[in-house]
Amino acid sequence: QKEVEQDPGPLSVPEGAIVSLNCTYSNSAFQYFMWYRQYSRKGPELLMYTYSSGNKEDGRFTAQVDKSSKYISLFIRDSQPSDSATYLCAMNYGQNFVFGPGTRLSVLP
Amino acid sequence: NAGVTQTPKFQVLKTGQSMTLQCAQDMNHNSMYWYRQDPGMGLRLIYYSASEGTTDKGEVPNGYNVSRLNKREFSLRLESAAPSQTSVYFCASSEVSVNQPQHFGDGTRLSIL
Repeated sequence: QKEVEQDPGPLSVPEGAIVSLNCTYSNSAFQYFMWYRQYSRKGPELLMYTYSSGNKEDGRFTAQVDKSSKYISLFIRDSQPSDSATYLCAMNYGQNFVFGPGTRLSVLP
Repeated sequence: NAGVTQTPKFQVLKTGQSMTLQCAQDMNHNSMYWYRQDPGMGLRLIYYSASEGTTDKGEVPNGYNVSRLNKREFSLRLESAAPSQTSVYFCASSEVSVNQPQHFGDGTRLSIL
């Protein structure tokens, strides 16, 4: 079992839809959770950074962490074509940093 | 504000050639990292430098060397390139190496024939 699992997609949704992206993990030591957005031929860009279980909101983006289930989610409201990218989850404890393989999202106009 | 800058952006090498990938950050971060990204495998850590003067191996260090030249710059060297090293290489930095998010450059696309 991989340390972090993420459905690679691709996921296609119509413009305006609510998108749900998810990761599961196996190591309960992970304390910090991140979501990165990566456009084609670009580097990952930090979107959300959270520590505790619960929700964190930033504009159209909401990050949700459930440590008891070892499950994290990123919700995108009112999705736009400009949200089309690959979304990577990441998590760490101490100096250990692990990335999911990414989910490719296409938002169709 | 440049953030993390990587050079070159693209490179094609022949098997056995050597090459150094350059990375510089202007965020006054203490820690820097080199990753490779391959389809379906996500980002894998090659080497990192928790602070100036230190370097440590990551998950896939074989075939690579690194140098932390100063606080800003961290280079990755392929001494004898192999086709298995064809990948996209990303440099990242963070304030400290513990429990801080990493910030990435735009990558170097390396093909080895």
